[in-house]
Amino acid sequence: RKEVEQDPGPFNVPEGATVAFNCTYSNSASQSFFWYRQDCRKEPKLLMSVYSSGNEDGRFTAQLNRASQYISLLIRDSKLSDSATYLCVVTGGGNKLTFGTGTQLKVEL
Amino acid sequence: DTEVTQTPKHLVMGMTNKKSLKCEQHMGHRAMYWYKQKAKKPPELMFVYSYEKLSINESVPSRFSPECPNSSLLNLHLHALQPEDSALYLCASSPAPAAATNEKLFFGSGTQLSVL
Repeated sequence: RKEVEQDPGPFNVPEGATVAFNCTYSNSASQSFFWYRQDCRKEPKLLMSVYSSGNEDGRFTAQLNRASQYISLLIRDSKLSDSATYLCVVTGGGNKLTFGTGTQLKVEL
Repeated sequence: DTEVTQTPKHLVMGMTNKKSLKCEQHMGHRAMYWYKQKAKKPPELMFVYSYEKLSINESVPSRFSPECPNSSLLNLHLHALQPEDSALYLCASSPAPAAATNEKLFFGSGTQLSVL
């Protein structure tokens, strides 16, 4: 099993739709969880950290489920500009941050 | 100033060349990283410097040689690379070692390297 797994997509959704991604992790000792966004040929940029109680930032909501070892990202009212690859990042073995393979989102008119 | 600056943005080199990638940050961050990213793949960690000391080397071939001259600078020296080393090389920094302290990573825009 990979340390951090994501559905690569692509998720093709119409503008205004709600879309959710999940990310599973294998190391039950993981403590840090993040969602990064990466546009084509650009560097990853932090979208949001994921806290145990869940957190929201505008149209974006992140949740952590420690029992099932997954984190989720919900995007409401999708915009064209949300089209990107969303990378899940988790503290892995050896106290390193491990990136998931990313989920590609395409928001269409 | 919240930038991580990488130079050059693009680099083409032959397999016998020696070149260096440079990374600079002035945010006072004490952890710096090199990642390698191939197309449609996630970034893969290569090296971590923590307080100017190499703390993680992910079994990277010796043709890649990192150097941290001071807390603001990180270099990656390249020698005798192979075509399969062609990738986007990303530098990142964090206030303290990210995995230990829940710190986020700040990435530079990367160097797109092509090895002929």
